[in-house]
Amino acid sequence: SQTIHQWPATLVQPVGSPLSLECTVEGTSNPNLYWYRQAAGRGLQLLFYSVGIGQISSEVPQNLSASRPQDRQFILSSKKLLLSDSGFYLCAWRISGTGLEQYFGPGTRLTVT
Amino acid sequence: AQSVTQLDSHVSVSEGTPVLLRCNYSSSYSPSLFWYVQHPNKGLQLLLKYTSAATLVKGINGFEAEFKKSETSFHLTKPSAHMSDAAEYFCVKEYGNKLVFGAGTILRVKS
Repeated sequence: SQTIHQWPATLVQPVGSPLSLECTVEGTSNPNLYWYRQAAGRGLQLLFYSVGIGQISSEVPQNLSASRPQDRQFILSSKKLLLSDSGFYLCAWRISGTGLEQYFGPGTRLTVT
Repeated sequence: AQSVTQLDSHVSVSEGTPVLLRCNYSSSYSPSLFWYVQHPNKGLQLLLKYTSAATLVKGINGFEAEFKKSETSFHLTKPSAHMSDAAEYFCVKEYGNKLVFGAGTILRVKS
């Protein structure tokens, strides 16, 4: 069966510090991978998605970047965090194709102070 | 533009009474629609999905949803609410490789 891992579970970082959040998927090959942010009162916002190694699509211009160095690894980064980067970050995966659901990781709670 | 509208931001029911969470979606030829549930500080869990098969879709934990093309609706129901159903629910539509989320409905279950 497939599983998705995210770490860390919680993170408190000062403004201006760097960020690296990691997501890995087990039990599947060549998944589509997604990063979402969920901020209080703002629903889920798609940040990045990837259909293959090194292929990243950015949905919203912002202070973040994403990379996919391996087939089942998806990393969300920032060089300098802003207060507005605080939120709950969710990674998701799905099989390539249409009409298919996404499966979500447990999330990372980021607080920028 | 693709959109999903959840008509209620909060719904409150008593334990043992029916649940109705309403969702309308922007029309498309053959939509794929989903309902997800999120408990506090947790990831999203898939409840059910509609992908052009039967219009009444059964999901986990006794939930079901009915696809009504004429009304562009996909409302989520459950005959009898349980305390453990208290959570936030998202109606979601697929668009290309991506999902379009509704704003969410917080379900409160009173004892």
